[in-house]
Order: sequence, then C-alpha cells, then structure tokens
Amino acid sequence: DIQMTQSPSSLSASVGDRVTITCQASQDISNYLNWYQQRPGKAPKLLIYDASNLETGVPSRFSGSGSGTYFTFTISSLQPEDIATYYCQHYDDLPYIFGQGTKLEIK
Amino acid sequence: QEQLVESGGGLVKPGGSLRLSCADSGFTFSDFHMNWIRQAPGKGLEWVSYISSSGLTIHYADSVKGRFTISRDNAKNSLFLQMNSLRAEDTALYYCARGFGYFDLWGRGTLVTVSS
Repeated sequence: DIQMTQSPSSLSASVGDRVTITCQASQDISNYLNWYQQRPGKAPKLLIYDASNLETGVPSRFSGSGSGTYFTFTISSLQPEDIATYYCQHYDDLPYIFGQGTKLEIK
Repeated sequence: QEQLVESGGGLVKPGGSLRLSCADSGFTFSDFHMNWIRQAPGKGLEWVSYISSSGLTIHYADSVKGRFTISRDNAKNSLFLQMNSLRAEDTALYYCARGFGYFDLWGRGTLVTVSS
C-alpha cells in the first residue's frame, strides 16, 4: 500500500498568517492527491482535488501544489473559521489512504 | 440540495452484525460511485469500501475484507454496508461519501460501537 506522511501533526498560527502543510507519498502518485478540511464535530469537506484544483465554492485563500511524491497545501491568510483538521488523501491505487491529519489552531 | 444521510449505527457485541444505510437526496444517485469511510474516536480517516455506480465493481480495505459487504439499490437511491463478525476495532463513525478517487459529498455519519 502507498503510505502518506503528513506534517506537521499540529500547528498554531495567527489570523492573517500564511500556513503550509506538507504530504509525502511513499511512491510516485502523479497528481492523484486531495485535501480535506474537517471542522470539529463535522464531516470532512473536499477542498482541493488532483493536487491543485480548487473545489467549487471553496475560498481562493486555499491552494495546493505538487506532483509525484511531494505535495503542499497552503492557506494564504488564515481566518478564524479555518480552525480544523486537514487531511491529504491519495487515489493512485486502492486502498485509498489518508494522511494522519494536521490539527490547525489559532494563536 | 445535495445530501447524504446515514443510519443503522448502534451498540453491538463483538462477533455481532449491523447493517448501515445511506440515503441520498438532491442528485441522481445512480450516476455516482459511492464509498464508506470510517473514523475511530479521536483518530483519522480510513477508507473502507467502494462500489461503482452500476454496482458491478466493488473494493474493500484489507481490514474489513471477508466481513463487510457493500451494496446499493439504485431504484431506492440507497447505499448499504452489511457488517458481520464485528470487532472492537471496528468502533467508529461511518460516513458514506460520493465519488471515485476524491469524495465531494459526505454524510454526517452514523456511530458504530462494538463492545461487550
């Protein structure tokens, strides 16, 4: 199985900060990489698909990049409503694997 | 409005069975591939099973293969997960999620607790 290593596991930042999360795959997954936001007590929400495509209705402060084995997810200007856990997920092959998650908190 | 609603969760003893359901609204269910994804309390997300839009292609995670069965009834816009031989480690919030590769619509989940 392809393993996904996401870092950091937790992050504290101030409103307005630029925040970056990384996800590394154990083998080349091309651009088959998605990012989700899970607010406390809620279901996950798709933010980015195919590494860099913004899902409809998602604010433009969210972005993704990368290909192969290394991917980044960025929030350009952190907002209070961005408090959540963020997950990467590959779909190069089954089983689909999620990263361990990054819990984002506001300072 | 597009929506998925899971049901059927509950408390079950180890070795027991449970059948989860997921009902859709607001979109043409038969056009979409579907999945079950679970989240153990305080843990991350684990993909469990996939079924194609026609129901002809099915996949499972190794952790549930041979114990869980995914199915769908496109006439009733419903997705199912039959869970047998349940173990304590199957305790989780079970989500149904739409999509192939990426999951663009999720339900709110139904909680399955396996405990004696």
